[in-house]
Amino acid sequence: EIVMTQSPATLSVSPGERATLSCRASQSVTNILAWSSQSVYNNLAWYQQKPGQAPSLLIYDASTRATGIPPRFSGSGSGTEFTLTISSLQSEDFAVYYCQQYYDWPYTFGQGTKLEIK
Amino acid sequence: QVQLHESGPGLVRPSETLSLTCTVSGDSITDSYWSWIRQPPGKGLECIGYIYYSGTTNYNPSLKSRVTLSTDTSKNQFSLRLTSVTAADTAVYYCVRALSAYGARGRWFDSWGRGTLVTVSS
Repeated sequence: EIVMTQSPATLSVSPGERATLSCRASQSVTNILAWSSQSVYNNLAWYQQKPGQAPSLLIYDASTRATGIPPRFSGSGSGTEFTLTISSLQSEDFAVYYCQQYYDWPYTFGQGTKLEIK
Repeated sequence: QVQLHESGPGLVRPSETLSLTCTVSGDSITDSYWSWIRQPPGKGLECIGYIYYSGTTNYNPSLKSRVTLSTDTSKNQFSLRLTSVTAADTAVYYCVRALSAYGARGRWFDSWGRGTLVTVSS
């Protein structure tokens, strides 16, 4: 099973500032597309969960924003190292964030990063 | 817009069977893969399994001996059955739509139900 490790466990940031969350996989979750050695697919998604609510999808393919997700959310990375960046924190962004790999079954999540107001 | 709604008992006795149903609206269950994910109170997320209406299933190895997923296309529903439950199965259970894309090896989860808390206790 692929183990996903997120850091830090808790991140304190002031509204309007940038937040950078990290996610590391125990093995690569990136596959090279057969038709082009230059093209890869990163089997990594990010979710946001607010208290008492279900998680909601933010990003898939490591960097593709889901429908309706504002551009202040961006994802990057490949292989085993991934980053979620929130460029200018809004009050509604303070929540717990999870990464998930879908390279191998069972799909696994990180333990979460709690983003709190500084 | 797809909506998912979990239903079922909120309390299950130890050693008995947990049964939940997810009703889907805004999408046909024949058009996507569907999954159950659970979250123990204050903890992280665990994939239980996924199903396609044709009968294709995949179960988390940690639960495989106790889990069965099924679909009912006439009601646009899918269901979870977990046998021999213990207190460790106490969690919020979410039903979820699982999507994929050309090039992806697996699926991400784009639409979630609100979740239902199932407590295992005598």
